[in-house]
Amino acid sequence: DAMVIQNPRYQVTQFGKPVTLSCSQTLNHNVMYWYQQKSSQAPKLLFHYYDKDFNNEADTPDNFQSRRPNTSFCFLDIRSPGLGDAAMYLCATSRVGTGNEKLFFGSGTQLSVL
Amino acid sequence: RKEVEQDPGPFNVPEGATVAFNCTYSNSASQSFFWYRQDCRKEPKLLMSVYSSGNEDGRFTAQLNRASQYISLLIRDSKLSDSATYLCVVNLSGNTPLVFGKGTRLSVIA
Repeated sequence: DAMVIQNPRYQVTQFGKPVTLSCSQTLNHNVMYWYQQKSSQAPKLLFHYYDKDFNNEADTPDNFQSRRPNTSFCFLDIRSPGLGDAAMYLCATSRVGTGNEKLFFGSGTQLSVL
Repeated sequence: RKEVEQDPGPFNVPEGATVAFNCTYSNSASQSFFWYRQDCRKEPKLLMSVYSSGNEDGRFTAQLNRASQYISLLIRDSKLSDSATYLCVVNLSGNTPLVFGKGTRLSVIA
């Protein structure tokens, strides 16, 4: 089945140790998103790509970077994780990014920072 | 005013009850509205879109009130399996990414 796949499902890292989360999609969607969701909070958009066009939210910390080497893959790099970065990280896609489309989410990566 | 605002709940209701949630949004020009469902520690999944004329899908009814800038979700004959967090999602303007509310937590009790 076509889908959005995130790996790993659970990630544990140490304070200050770089970590990379991955996302792949078989939907051939143009747009890919990274959200951060903390407990009892709304998913917060970190950045998104329209194809290769990168869009960073104004309040996304510099500690967070992203790469999209091709249509199928997107990575979230956290350069120096702090305790406050522990959260669920959700990758999502949409077909063209018009704002009135369904979002397709991966199952998320739960990040713990020790 | 927050962009998308929901009562966080929890709403604790018995099986078979009818329950309704509202969600207010800040931009009167918003065009697209959705309800997503999120189970604990899982990803959000689309429950239904909200159309101007209102729409129904089985036990679920969604409505839009543009004058007062809110959308609603009504669940009839609640089931235990309806227990989840319901996220209000709005396209606030143009071709911009969707904005999520914090969600309303529902617990249906036997």
